[in-house]
Amino acid sequence: DQQVKQNSPSLSVQEGRISILNCDYTNSMFDYFLWYKKYPAEGPTFLISISSIKDKNEDGRFTVFLNKSAKHLSLHIVPSQPGDSAVYFCAARLNTGNQFYFGTGTSLTVIP
Amino acid sequence: EAQVTQNPRYLITVTGKKLTVTCSQNMNHEYMSWYRQDPGLGLRQIYYSMNVEVTDKGDVPEGYKVSRKEKRNFPLILESPSPNQTSLYFCASSLRQGAGYGYTFGSGTRLTVV
Repeated sequence: DQQVKQNSPSLSVQEGRISILNCDYTNSMFDYFLWYKKYPAEGPTFLISISSIKDKNEDGRFTVFLNKSAKHLSLHIVPSQPGDSAVYFCAARLNTGNQFYFGTGTSLTVIP
Repeated sequence: EAQVTQNPRYLITVTGKKLTVTCSQNMNHEYMSWYRQDPGLGLRQIYYSMNVEVTDKGDVPEGYKVSRKEKRNFPLILESPSPNQTSLYFCASSLRQGAGYGYTFGSGTRLTVV
């Protein structure tokens, strides 16, 4: 049973516009959340994270929002650039140990 | 260069033939983890380690073993591989746990079991 879900397999956005990637989770025992970016033939690269006690974290063009009541988080990329084209995974850590759960990924294409 | 190195990158083997995928990190990280990536399932954690000689099961540990005898190395062992273990495997390491500390991943090992 998927505890972290990314319901949009793909997303296309024009260069310069905002990209919004969404993630839903079911387990209230997650204590922090992360976003990773993955290019083909490479391992995932850590982008940004957020603690469960926060509702927003910003790092340059990347902002992650957490809505605990809805068990939903989103990654905003503004402005989107062609180099942002990749698969984005959200992940969550269970607070009872060091287990991480990943979503299935969203493939972002930024059109020049 | 700070990195996680996995070997081999590609491996084709036969059912039942024991194999080891090596993983080494040069960043003095405490935490290490193995994942498998399958289409439609994302990344699933196999095993993790919080320090030397401390390992625990992730979400999908069946059919795998790990060891952490030294801080830098975290090999993944398949004692009797089966075709359902055909997958893309990633090793990862992290200095600490907590928001702000993501994992550094290796480039992956594509394993095919025939």
